[in-house]
Amino acid sequence: EVQLVESGGGLVQPGGSLRLSCAASGFTFSSYSMNWVRQAPGKGLEWVSYISSSSSTIYYADSVKGRFTISRDNAKNSLYLQMNSLRDEDTAVYYCARDITMIGFDPWGQGTLVTVSS
Amino acid sequence: EIVMTQSPATLSVSPGERATLSCRASQSVSSNLAWYQQKPGQAPRLLIYGASTRATGIPARFSGSGSGTEFTLTISSLQSEDFAVYYCQQYNNWAPRTFGQGTKVEIK
Repeated sequence: EVQLVESGGGLVQPGGSLRLSCAASGFTFSSYSMNWVRQAPGKGLEWVSYISSSSSTIYYADSVKGRFTISRDNAKNSLYLQMNSLRDEDTAVYYCARDITMIGFDPWGQGTLVTVSS
Repeated sequence: EIVMTQSPATLSVSPGERATLSCRASQSVSSNLAWYQQKPGQAPRLLIYGASTRATGIPARFSGSGSGTEFTLTISSLQSEDFAVYYCQQYNNWAPRTFGQGTKVEIK
């Protein structure tokens, strides 16, 4: 079964840092690009970041550029999101999602909640 | 950035009725459009890709149509499990892979 499991969320103060992880199983992780998508409480979906299978191509949403860093470890079947200089508006559930070319994001993990508050 | 606009924001439908959801792109995305379903407390699930192809395991009552800038998701006969929020997403180009703001399908 293809599965993605996020971890690392929690409560952090404004200006703080957090590192999210996404553990992949049931597929050849190294063959797929991956994404982080977030959803603020009661709001819609916002794409955050993309990384290609070999890490050669990386994109960020303007809202997180310069503060967040996406990375992956294909040997460990894991995706990461390092979040620095966190703001109140970064409060959201963060999902990792596999990127299938010309199809979309499938599947998604269950999400991990990040709360930025003093 | 390509802006995706969904309408209506909320759709009230009785079980067994047909639901029609719209998604408009600010510029052409060809057929590079996906639809996702999200139920409360759950992650989104891919329903439709390529504007009209159902993902694996998606019932035939879900259908997608359109190309260019205008797209439609139709649920032919709403079941209780279909009441959810639906999002469209373009993947025609990067920077970024934008989502619509969502349409909530609620019980009338």
